[in-house]
Amino acid sequence: AQTVTQSQPEMSVQEAETVTLSCTYDTSESDYYLFWYKQPPSRQMILVIRQEAYKQQNATENRFSVNFQKAAKSFSLKISDSQLGDAAMYFCAYRSDGAFGNEKLTFGTGTRLTIIP
Amino acid sequence: DTAVSQTPKYLVTQMGNDKSIKCEQNLGHDTMYWYKQDSKKFLKIMFSYNNKELIINETVPNRFSPKSPDKAHLNLHINSLELGDSAVYFCASSPGTVNTEAFFGQGTRLTVV
Repeated sequence: AQTVTQSQPEMSVQEAETVTLSCTYDTSESDYYLFWYKQPPSRQMILVIRQEAYKQQNATENRFSVNFQKAAKSFSLKISDSQLGDAAMYFCAYRSDGAFGNEKLTFGTGTRLTIIP
Repeated sequence: DTAVSQTPKYLVTQMGNDKSIKCEQNLGHDTMYWYKQDSKKFLKIMFSYNNKELIINETVPNRFSPKSPDKAHLNLHINSLELGDSAVYFCASSPGTVNTEAFFGQGTRLTVV
């Protein structure tokens, strides 16, 4: 079974600075997908960024980028120019290369990110 | 226009009662899920359905019974509610093909007293 570990229960960063959230995972599969989801106080789960394991290039979405190290099974999220609206719980998630209902997400325990004005 | 909608958003009920949570998606997806988020914010899958067929059933007490009348709806019925059932329940959907992500509803906070 796959496991996802987020070793930082809480992080804080000054507004406009850069912060990196860590995630490691354990799997014996070669093809899979990794995600970062954001959960603000509204409770809604919002997809931040995704990475396909077969792609060597790190994914980027505006101020959000990842550092994907497949051999090390590491998938960190970098948030640049942090904004107050980035304050939320961030969850790292693993998805097997399945389909038709077999593609469940395995989540880490989350990192609570606080933005300091 | 909400993509994945759950009702109700909040549910407070007494131990022993039976309750249902409804979920509907208008994305045309084939796969729907129920996830549970406990008091420590840990998210874990409970069930998945693909085109009304149960695919994943993850060690969930049989007091929990999902029902999918059609591929756009997945409801969760819980019998004989216990204090430990208090959590946030998320419905999600995805196209059900490779290389796709799940879209989540806004969650239902269930409190059992």
